[in-house]
Amino acid sequence: AQTVTQSQPEMSVQEAETVTLSCTYDTSESDYYLFWYKQPPSRQMILVIRQEAYKQQNATENRFSVNFQKAAKSFSLKISDSQLGDAAMYFCAYATGANSKLTFGKGITLSVRP
Amino acid sequence: DVKVTQSSRYLVKRTGEKVFLECVQDMDHENMFWYRQDPGLGLRLIYFSYDVKMKEKGDIPEGYSVSREKKERFSLILESASTNQTSMYLCASSSTRLVFYNEQFFGPGTRLTVL
Repeated sequence: AQTVTQSQPEMSVQEAETVTLSCTYDTSESDYYLFWYKQPPSRQMILVIRQEAYKQQNATENRFSVNFQKAAKSFSLKISDSQLGDAAMYFCAYATGANSKLTFGKGITLSVRP
Repeated sequence: DVKVTQSSRYLVKRTGEKVFLECVQDMDHENMFWYRQDPGLGLRLIYFSYDVKMKEKGDIPEGYSVSREKKERFSLILESASTNQTSMYLCASSSTRLVFYNEQFFGPGTRLTVL
């Protein structure tokens, strides 16, 4: 069975600084997708960024980028120039190419200090 | 934009009551999901559906059932609510079209308290 591990329950970052959130996963599949979801205090979960396993290039979306290490099964999220609005819970998630079921990590709460 | 709505943001029920949580999506998505979210446990899949009248058990289906009579609507049913079902319930939907890369779109959640 696939598992997703987020070992840090909480992190804090100073506004305008950079922070990296860690995620590891375990799978025997070769075709899969990885996601980072953000859940602000209002609770609406939104997609931050996604990575296809077959792509070697790391995904980037504005201030958000990932460091995808396929051999190490690691998928970290880097947030640059942190803003107060980045404060939220972040979930790492995995899906195989066969269906759209997501396996989530336990999440990490990110706080941003002004 | 995809919109997933849930019938209530907050709900308080008594032990033993039958509880219905409704979810509606407006993007003609084939797949729909019900999760519960608890502190320290992340999101756990209760049930999902790939098509109308089809359902499959997720990781924690005990004490729950679902109904999908129309493509846009997916209902979660607590047959006899218990206090350990107090939780945040999230509904999500996704398209089978691969261009969307299995992305799921979430509703705002229903905070259910069972007394």
